[in-house]
Amino acid sequence: EVQLVQSGAEVKKPGESLKISCKGSGYSFATYWIGWVRQMPGKGLEWIGIFYPGDSDIRYSPSFEGQVTISADKSISTAYLQWSSLKASDTAMYYCARCSSVGALNNFDSWGQGTLVTVSS
Amino acid sequence: QLVVTQSPSASASLGASVKFTCTLSSGHSNYAIAWHQQQPEKGPRFLMKVNKDGSHNKGDGIPDRFSGSSSGAERYLTISSLQSEDEADYYCQTWGTSIQVFGGGTKLTVL
Repeated sequence: EVQLVQSGAEVKKPGESLKISCKGSGYSFATYWIGWVRQMPGKGLEWIGIFYPGDSDIRYSPSFEGQVTISADKSISTAYLQWSSLKASDTAMYYCARCSSVGALNNFDSWGQGTLVTVSS
Repeated sequence: QLVVTQSPSASASLGASVKFTCTLSSGHSNYAIAWHQQQPEKGPRFLMKVNKDGSHNKGDGIPDRFSGSSSGAERYLTISSLQSEDEADYYCQTWGTSIQVFGGGTKLTVL
């Protein structure tokens, strides 16, 4: 069974850094694209970016490029989303999700449970 | 520009059927899409992928009440025999070589 397990909720102050994680299991982590999605309170899903652990290929949404960094450590089947300087507007639920086919950037078919990030002074 | 458009809301009665529409932007009418369900206070769940020819591939455990179809630039999700637990937000997703796109979502109210 494919599972994506995300790290727990975080409460941070503006200007602080943060790295959240998403651990994959039940499949060959290195051979599927894994992405990150933001959902601000009461709003819809927004694609942040996507990473291929096999060769570290990465694509960002223009809306998020330069604002976050996506990475992964395939030795421990874990993807990361990080911020160097959080803003209050980063307050949101963040989901990781896996693409459905080996090596293909296509639809998500498995989702993590979400990590709530709250940024407040 | 690759965009998918959804109506913001829909409503239908318990036991009835409802059909959601996801419209692909001009020049992208041959793209496949995926449907995801998000129940209140829960994370998204993959329902199915719908191809341009209307064929669809459902996720594990998705009931037969859920089906997909296609016509031109429109992709559809139909839910029959509506149940109370179907009250949720429904998102369509499409993708290109370097991009993923979500629609704004349709909020379903089951009356």
